[in-house]
Amino acid sequence: DQQVKQNSPSLSVQEGRISILNCDYTNSMFDYFLWYKKYPAEGPTFLISISSIKDKNEDGRFTVFLNKSAKHLSLHIVPSQPGDSAVYFCAASALGNTPLVFGKGTRLSVIA
Amino acid sequence: ETGVTQSPTHLIKTRGQQVTLRCSSQSGHNTVSWYQQALGQGPQFIFQYYREEENGRGNFPPRFSGLQFPNYSSELNVNALELDDSALYLCASTRRDELYGYTFGSGTRLTVV
Repeated sequence: DQQVKQNSPSLSVQEGRISILNCDYTNSMFDYFLWYKKYPAEGPTFLISISSIKDKNEDGRFTVFLNKSAKHLSLHIVPSQPGDSAVYFCAASALGNTPLVFGKGTRLSVIA
Repeated sequence: ETGVTQSPTHLIKTRGQQVTLRCSSQSGHNTVSWYQQALGQGPQFIFQYYREEENGRGNFPPRFSGLQFPNYSSELNVNALELDDSALYLCASTRRDELYGYTFGSGTRLTVV
């Protein structure tokens, strides 16, 4: 039973446009959400996070939106750049130092 | 500040064999977690170590075991390897009081034939 779902395996966007990556979760105990970016032959690197007490968090070109009632979060990248091409993982955690639960990832390709 | 280093980067083993993977945590980090990432999947939590003791375990059989050393480095041991154990194994370290400050290593790609 997948608790964190990324239903789009891949996404292709033109350079300069907006990329929107979606993530759904089923466990209502999750209270902290993170996005990681992964290049081939590298480990996941932290991108941005959001606590369940917020509905938006912004960091430069990256914004994460959280809709708790829908159990849905999204990552917006504006403007998209070719260097953003990578696999993006959504991850969630419940109260305390519990392990991260990851989605399957979405491969983003930004075309110049 | 050094990051998380894992060794080896690639490994090929035969079914039934045993394997040990190693991880050096980031400087200042005292907690180490191991994840398995199968092809086309997200990382799945195996277990976590803090103060040299297992501090949480995912849905993995006992043939997956680990160690944490006084310098906070860690090992993942897998006995009686199966073909389905072929995956990328990721180590992540953090500080106990920094709940979500995980730093991941580049992983060890294990292939079981």
